[in-house]
Amino acid sequence: DTGVSQDPRHKITKRGQNVTFRCDPISEHNRLYWYRQTLGQGPEFLTYFQNEAQLEKSRLLSDRFSAERPKGSFSTLEIQRTEQGDSAMYLCASSPPFGVWTDTQYFGPGTRLTVL
Amino acid sequence: GENVEQHPSTLSVQEGDSAVIKCTYSDSASNYFPWYKQELGKRPQLIIDIRSNVGEKKDQRIAVTLNKTAKHFSLHITETQPEDSAVYFCAAKRDNDMRFGAGTRLTVKP
Repeated sequence: DTGVSQDPRHKITKRGQNVTFRCDPISEHNRLYWYRQTLGQGPEFLTYFQNEAQLEKSRLLSDRFSAERPKGSFSTLEIQRTEQGDSAMYLCASSPPFGVWTDTQYFGPGTRLTVL
Repeated sequence: GENVEQHPSTLSVQEGDSAVIKCTYSDSASNYFPWYKQELGKRPQLIIDIRSNVGEKKDQRIAVTLNKTAKHFSLHITETQPEDSAVYFCAAKRDNDMRFGAGTRLTVKP
């Protein structure tokens, strides 16, 4: 499978614990996005990387959330001191380098987080 | 920022009928409008997209229309089949900011 992959697919944690998710974009896609999706809603933008640089962050992204993409390939999203309101599906998407017809974002399968 | 409204939230049609889902957006600078299909427990899959320099695009049973003046775009599915049942999301994108609608749950009854 050469699509976007995410790990783990499911994570159950207790309130107050830290969690980290990983996203591997499609090879050669230099743009990477993180979204959060709650039940019955569309994905909400969290943050955007172009290569290793984090260029945009949503106001939804509290200081408990941090994302990295150290080598411009895979990315990690960490949530510290999890709260029950963090329970959601965390989706990663990637896009090829800028050019003609490169607006498309390809989504990974998501990591479903449940905070007890 | 951009705000995307999607209607209806649920839609039930008989197999073979057409289905239409409508979205409106607020940011006139948005220039890319994709539609995603998401089946239960699966990733959103792009089914069709349109750019602001085009008014209509068709791919087999699926078509999208865009009215830039009115800032609305629609998804049309003809000859619906049970496997079209899913949640459909519209989105509007400006630069690297893509905003999604809340989704439409389409049920196609055999």
